[in-house]
Amino acid sequence: EIVLTQSPGTLSLSPGERATLSCRASQSVSSSYLAWYQQTPGQAPRLLIYGASSRATGIPDRFSGSGSGTDFTLTISRLEPEDFAVYYCQQYAGSPVTFGQGTKVEIK
Amino acid sequence: QVQLVESGGGVVQPGRSLRLSCAASGFTFSRYAMHWVRQAPGKGLEWVAVISYDGTNKFYADSVRGRFTISRDSSKNTLYLQMNSLRAEDTAVYYCARVYREGAVTTMILRGYFDYWGQGTLVTVSS
Repeated sequence: EIVLTQSPGTLSLSPGERATLSCRASQSVSSSYLAWYQQTPGQAPRLLIYGASSRATGIPDRFSGSGSGTDFTLTISRLEPEDFAVYYCQQYAGSPVTFGQGTKVEIK
Repeated sequence: QVQLVESGGGVVQPGRSLRLSCAASGFTFSRYAMHWVRQAPGKGLEWVAVISYDGTNKFYADSVRGRFTISRDSSKNTLYLQMNSLRAEDTAVYYCARVYREGAVTTMILRGYFDYWGQGTLVTVSS
């Protein structure tokens, strides 16, 4: 199975700052079948990005995804208060689908 | 609007069984594969099982294969997860999720990203 490793584990930033989250795969993720989710406490995950770089419906343009092969990045250009959450990457190129362990973005 | 509502969670003793349900609305349930994903307390997301749009194909994570059974009733727009021989390590919030993949016909998709999730139901396995 494809193992996804996210870094850093925790990112401490202030509102208005830029956040850069990394997701590295143990083998190439074909067709850039890589998604990103946001999860706030007590809530279900919310789809942000699919196909490595396409924003899901209703997602603000401060969220962007990039990358291919084994290295992918989620960037939040200017952190809003509601963006402090845990972020997961997920690959759907291989079976079974797998998730990264998550990156927590916390208020500094 | 798409809605997924799970139910059936609770506290159960090790070795016992539990059946989860996920009621779907707002879309043509019979045209989509559906998944269960779980999250242990304070941990990350773990894929559990998938069922094809017509119920003919089912796949499971190694950790639950042989103990859990996924099924669906399209006449009731409901997804199920029968969990037998429960263990402490099965304690988690269980989410049902609709799967999609860009550019694909929905009935051909088993593997993809999860565009809609339920709110989750907590299963606690404890004596």
